[in-house]
Amino acid sequence: QVQLVQSGAEVKKPGASVKVSCKASGYTFTSYGISWVRQAPGQGLEWMGWISTYNGNTNYAQKLQGRVTMTTDTSTSTAYMELRSLRSDDTAVYYCVLESYDYWGQGTLVTVSS
Amino acid sequence: DIVMTQTPLSLSVTPGQPASISCKSSQSLLHSDGKTYLYWYLQKPGQSPQLLIYEVSSRFSGVPDRFSGSGSGTDFTLKISRVEAEDVGVYYCMQGIHLWTFGQGTKVEIK
Repeated sequence: QVQLVQSGAEVKKPGASVKVSCKASGYTFTSYGISWVRQAPGQGLEWMGWISTYNGNTNYAQKLQGRVTMTTDTSTSTAYMELRSLRSDDTAVYYCVLESYDYWGQGTLVTVSS
Repeated sequence: DIVMTQTPLSLSVTPGQPASISCKSSQSLLHSDGKTYLYWYLQKPGQSPQLLIYEVSSRFSGVPDRFSGSGSGTDFTLKISRVEAEDVGVYYCMQGIHLWTFGQGTKVEIK
């Protein structure tokens, strides 16, 4: 069965960077791209961007351009999302999602606090 | 960017009664490939969102048939024919025709 397993919770200081991983299994990794979605505490869902697992092409949300980088490692079927220059309003649960819309990771809580 | 607007933002329903959520998009979600890229998710407390409905009206695997989706173009509706206790959570519509955008969410609780 399809599974997306994300890395554990992180606590970071303002200005630091965080890199969240998403390990896929149960399907051919390069068949579907992966989107990243985040959810601030008590808030709705915000799309961050998408990466093609086939060729590495990316498409980022305009508000995150310059601070976010999405990559993949096809040898380990893992996708990564790095967010730099963290601010307090980046505190959120970060999800990886299969581009087929149907499978989500369990979420990774990133807390940005001094 | 495509804006998704859901109404109502909260709903309190008696078990066994129907419920309906509206979702309007700022642009048509009908693609030239003939598909309409409108999805419905339920996020239960403490969980990741789960797909209920894809392409307006198709139920995802394992979704009970009390859930149904309808609509076209820019106006869409999710209906629950008879709400059960396990249906509590926040419902989101999402468009996937141009990047992804989510509605604000509709919180459903049981009376």
